[in-house]
Amino acid sequence: EVHLVESGGGLVQPGGSLRLSCAASGFTFRNYWMNWVRQAPGKGLEWVANIYQDGSEKHYVDSVKGRFTISRDNAKNSLYLEMNSLRAEDTAVYYCANLYSDYWGQGTLVTVSS
Amino acid sequence: DIQMTQSPSSLSASVGDRVTITCRASQGIRNDLGWYQQKPGKAPKRLISAASSLQSGVPSRFSGSGSGTEFTLTISSLQPEDFATYYCLQHNSYLRTFGQGTKVEIK
Repeated sequence: EVHLVESGGGLVQPGGSLRLSCAASGFTFRNYWMNWVRQAPGKGLEWVANIYQDGSEKHYVDSVKGRFTISRDNAKNSLYLEMNSLRAEDTAVYYCANLYSDYWGQGTLVTVSS
Repeated sequence: DIQMTQSPSSLSASVGDRVTITCRASQGIRNDLGWYQQKPGKAPKRLISAASSLQSGVPSRFSGSGSGTEFTLTISSLQPEDFATYYCLQHNSYLRTFGQGTKVEIK
């Protein structure tokens, strides 16, 4: 059975940092692009970033470029999102997703507020 | 970047109604589009891939069509469990883009 389990969310002050993790199991993690998708409270889905199988290629939505970094550790079947210079508008549930196979985690809530 | 314009943003419909949702891409994306259903508090679930391929286990009342810049999701006979929010997602570009969503509500 496939599992994607996000962790690391929480309350952080504007300008602060947070690192999200996603632990994957039940599929061959190293064979797939992986993604982060977020959803602000009461709003729609927004694709945030993705990373190639071996981590050699990464892409970001314009609003997070230079502030967020996606990475992965295939030996640990894990995906990460390092978030710096956080803003109120980054408040959202963050999902880890294998969009090719339609595997999603349950999401982790990040709240940016003073 | 590719923009996806989804319409309508919401609609009210009755059980048994036929419902159509549209997504327009800012440039041609071939058939690199999926349709997703999301219920409150849950992760999205893909209904349609490659614009028109029904995912395994998805009821046949859902169908997708289109290619290039215009795409449609149709629910032929709305059921109570179909009240949810629907999104399109393009994957023609490495920078993925969702449509703004369509909330389907009970009339």
